[in-house]
Amino acid sequence: DAKTTQPNSMESNEEEPVHLPCNHSTISGTDYIHWYRQLPSQGPEYVIHGLTSNVNNRMASLAIAEDRKSSTLILHRATLRDAAVYYCILGGSQGNLIFGKGTKLSVKP
Amino acid sequence: KAGVTQTPRYLIKTRGQQVTLSCSPISGHRSVSWYQQTPGQGLQFLFEYFSETQRNKGNFPGRFSGRQFSNSRSEMNVSTLELGDSALYLCASSFVPSGQGGYEQYFGPGTRLTVT
Repeated sequence: DAKTTQPNSMESNEEEPVHLPCNHSTISGTDYIHWYRQLPSQGPEYVIHGLTSNVNNRMASLAIAEDRKSSTLILHRATLRDAAVYYCILGGSQGNLIFGKGTKLSVKP
Repeated sequence: KAGVTQTPRYLIKTRGQQVTLSCSPISGHRSVSWYQQTPGQGLQFLFEYFSETQRNKGNFPGRFSGRQFSNSRSEMNVSTLELGDSALYLCASSFVPSGQGGYEQYFGPGTRLTVT
């Protein structure tokens, strides 16, 4: 299964943009890049996914490198409610999502 | 639209007993996946059901089993409970099954199982 590498933790200030990086050098051509987040005491929450092109939705933007070996989740204005563990996951023909350790994002007021 | 619901939310069992957890997916979703989350191992995939058929299975012993009903509701069963089975068990539903690339999974709040 293709693996992802994320920093263990990151800090951000409230109302500032946050860029969460993810490396996936062994990604295959059919693997989608998924991002989920898990707030304390809750189940994971879908954030965004993409294949090759950059993607935007109401929660975040996903920037995918041209060679697809890395991607960045962008939260345009962090709020205290965005403090969570963010998981970058590859999913494709292999099937089920394989969660890593994720990045714990702290947001300071 | 109602989200994924899981029952019970909390459960305490004794070693050697068995337990059944229930998951009701979002209306219209036919794929249900189960995960185990522990502080040490993180989120680990257990199995996935789509249209009452198991599609994928993670690396767990045979004591862990599941099934899906015609209304897409799913149950998972753990027999002969061990202390190490204490975990948060999460269920997730999606409209399409895994393996179709860009699918979105929606998770329930989980069932917290404590084995004593």
